Amino acid sequence: AQSVTQLGSHVSVSEGALVLLRCNYSSSVPPYLFWYVQYPNQGLQLLLKYTSAATLVKGINGFEAEFKKSETSFHLTKPSAHMSDAAEYFCAVTSSGSARQLTFGSGTQLTVLP
Amino acid sequence: KAGVTQTPRYLIKTRGQQVTLSCSPISGHRSVSWYQQTPGQGLQFLFEYFSETQRNKGNFPGRFSGRQFSNSRSEMNVSTLELGDSALYLCASSGGQGVGELFFGEGSRLTVL
Repeated sequence: AQSVTQLGSHVSVSEGALVLLRCNYSSSVPPYLFWYVQYPNQGLQLLLKYTSAATLVKGINGFEAEFKKSETSFHLTKPSAHMSDAAEYFCAVTSSGSARQLTFGSGTQLTVLP
Repeated sequence: KAGVTQTPRYLIKTRGQQVTLSCSPISGHRSVSWYQQTPGQGLQFLFEYFSETQRNKGNFPGRFSGRQFSNSRSEMNVSTLELGDSALYLCASSGGQGVGELFFGEGSRLTVL
C-alpha cells in the first residue's frame, strides 16, 4: 500500500519569500512521485514528477522538489513566491504497476501575502 | 491541442437518481482515469480505462461504473445517488504507457440534494 502525508493544510508566505511545502510518502515498492497544483474551479496541473532518474526535479513556474529516500520525503520548494502561486498543492504517489492510479495527499493551501 | 473536456460542468440531482458524466480526452490519449474530490476524503481514484477496458478500479461501491468508447471518450455513471456522492468528479487522460503525467479536465461538480 502507498500513502502520502502533506504536513500543513495551510501555508502562508510573503511575496518574494521561500515556499516550502512538505510531503512524506510511504511505499513498499520504488515510488513515483508527483506534485500537482489546483487553482480555484479548475482541474489539476502537473508541476513536476520524480520517476527514479535525478533526485532533484525541476518543474514549471520555478518549482523544484528533491527526492530523499532516507527521509521518505519529496518536499516542494520555490525560492521566491509570487502572488500567482496562491493555489492548492497536492503531492501524489504511484508505482510502475499502476501508473495512473495516483494516491494523493490531503493538499496544502498556499496563501501568498503582499 | 485541445485539453480534456468534461460535461456537464455543474449539475444538481436528488437522492435516488442516477447521473452520467462525460469526458473527452486529449486527442491521441487512450487512457482515461476518473477521480472523486471531496472536502472530507480528498482526491480518490475511481477507475481507469484504456482501449475500452477497465484497467484499474478504486475502492468504490458498485453504484459507480464507467465505460470507454472506441474514440477514447469515457463516461462514468453513478446510480442511486446518495448525499455523500456530492463531489467534484475529475477526469484525466494520458498516453497510457509508462508512468506519465495525467492531464486533468476542469471537472464536473455534482450536488446531490
